[in-house]
Amino acid sequence: NAGVTQTPKFRVLKTGQSMTLLCAQDMNHEYMYWYRQDPGMGLRLIHYSVGEGTTAKGEVPDGYNVSRLKKQNFLLGLESAAPSQTSVYFCASSYSVRSGGRNTQYFGPGTRLTVL
Amino acid sequence: EDQVTQSPEALRLQEGESSSLNCSYTVSGLRGLFWYRQDPGKGPEFLFTLYSAGEEKEKERLKATLTKKESFLHITAPKPEDSATYLCAVQARGGSNYKLTFGKGTLLTVNP
Repeated sequence: NAGVTQTPKFRVLKTGQSMTLLCAQDMNHEYMYWYRQDPGMGLRLIHYSVGEGTTAKGEVPDGYNVSRLKKQNFLLGLESAAPSQTSVYFCASSYSVRSGGRNTQYFGPGTRLTVL
Repeated sequence: EDQVTQSPEALRLQEGESSSLNCSYTVSGLRGLFWYRQDPGKGPEFLFTLYSAGEEKEKERLKATLTKKESFLHITAPKPEDSATYLCAVQARGGSNYKLTFGKGTLLTVNP
C-alpha cells in the first residue's frame, strides 16, 4: 500500500494564480483532512471530509476550497493565491467515528507551496 | 477551545542520555492523545495513541505516558537517528469527526 500520497511535492505560484493540490489514499478511509504547517504555528486544520461528497470547514478555511468526488481523493484548491498561503500542506486520512476506535490519522509527505 | 503546549521547544542530547518531552493539554473531553514523529521535509509519522490516564505504550527506545493533564514521551538511551521533531495532538470526545489539535512540537537533536 502506498498509504497517503500528495501531488505535487513543490510548487511556486505568483499572487493571484490558482492551483489544485491532490491527495489520494488507498486505505479505504472514510475521513480525509487538509492541514497547513507554518513555522512556530504547528499544524492547523483547513478543511475536512467525513465521506464522499461531503466537506466541512476547519480552523483556517479562508481562501481555500475542497472537493471529495471520490472516496480515495481529496482536492484542495486555491482560487487566487496570496503570499500568506505560502506554507507546507499536509493531507491525512482516517477511519470513521463508527469504526470503533481506529481513529488514527495517517499523513502524506506534504506539498511545499511558495506564493510570490 | 482545545489547547496543546509542548516543552521544551528544542532539546539537545548526547547519545545515550535519556530524557523526557512534555505535552500539556486542555480539552473538553479527551478521546485520544497522539504522538507523531516528523523528519525534515517529511510528513508526520504516527507513533502512539493514548486513550486514558495511566495508560503507557512503548516502541523501541520510546515510551509514552498519559495523565489527566499531560503526556510524557520518554526517550531511553537515544541514538542520533532519533533526532526529529516530535508532535503531540489531542482529539476531543464527541462530534462526527476526528479533528486533531496539535502542539508546536519539540525539536530533538541527538549528538553522537
